[in-house]
Amino acid sequence: KNEVEQSPQNLTAQEGEFITINCSYSVGISALHWLQQHPGGGIVSLFMLSSGKKKHGRLIATINIQEKHSSLHITASHPRDSAVYICAVRPGGSQGNLIFGKGTKLSVKP
Amino acid sequence: ETGVTQSPTHLIKTRGQQVTLRCSSQSGHNTVSWYQQALGQGPQFIFQYYREEENGRGNFPPRFSGLQFPNYSSELNVNALELDDSALYLCASSLGSSSYGYTFGSGTRLTVV
Repeated sequence: KNEVEQSPQNLTAQEGEFITINCSYSVGISALHWLQQHPGGGIVSLFMLSSGKKKHGRLIATINIQEKHSSLHITASHPRDSAVYICAVRPGGSQGNLIFGKGTKLSVKP
Repeated sequence: ETGVTQSPTHLIKTRGQQVTLRCSSQSGHNTVSWYQQALGQGPQFIFQYYREEENGRGNFPPRFSGLQFPNYSSELNVNALELDDSALYLCASSLGSSSYGYTFGSGTRLTVV
């Protein structure tokens, strides 16, 4: 079993829909990251969370440390949101390396 | 402020050869970590360098080695390339223990034939 599990693996939505991507992890962490990866491979950091909730534009990330679970929400989705969304955790006490989930491939249709 | 730059962007090598990949860290960052991402998988941690010394390593054989230079740029070297080394190699820079987050490069896509 992977230490970081994401669901769903693939997600197709219509433009305007509300989207939720889930991440569960099995290790103690000092931070959780949500990242966006476009087809070219480059990764953009969206959020770093250690508790609570963060919002940036149409993106919202939440984390429940007790339940070891985080969600990424996209409101009013748009075709330009199409990408792979990756959850990554920094284990507590680590030197800084991240453990990544396999990613959720999101496709938003116009 | 500049981001993280990786070079080359694409590379094709023959099995058994050696390869060097390069990464320039974001201005002000002193820590660089390298990841290998196989097709359809999440990135896997290779190693991390902090102030020119390796301070963390994932489950990769010794033929994966690295360097960090005084300007905090970094190299990843892979010897005796194998077909399974074909992947996207990502570099991320951060400041110290990365409490402030990471900046990722666009990656180098390595194909071993």
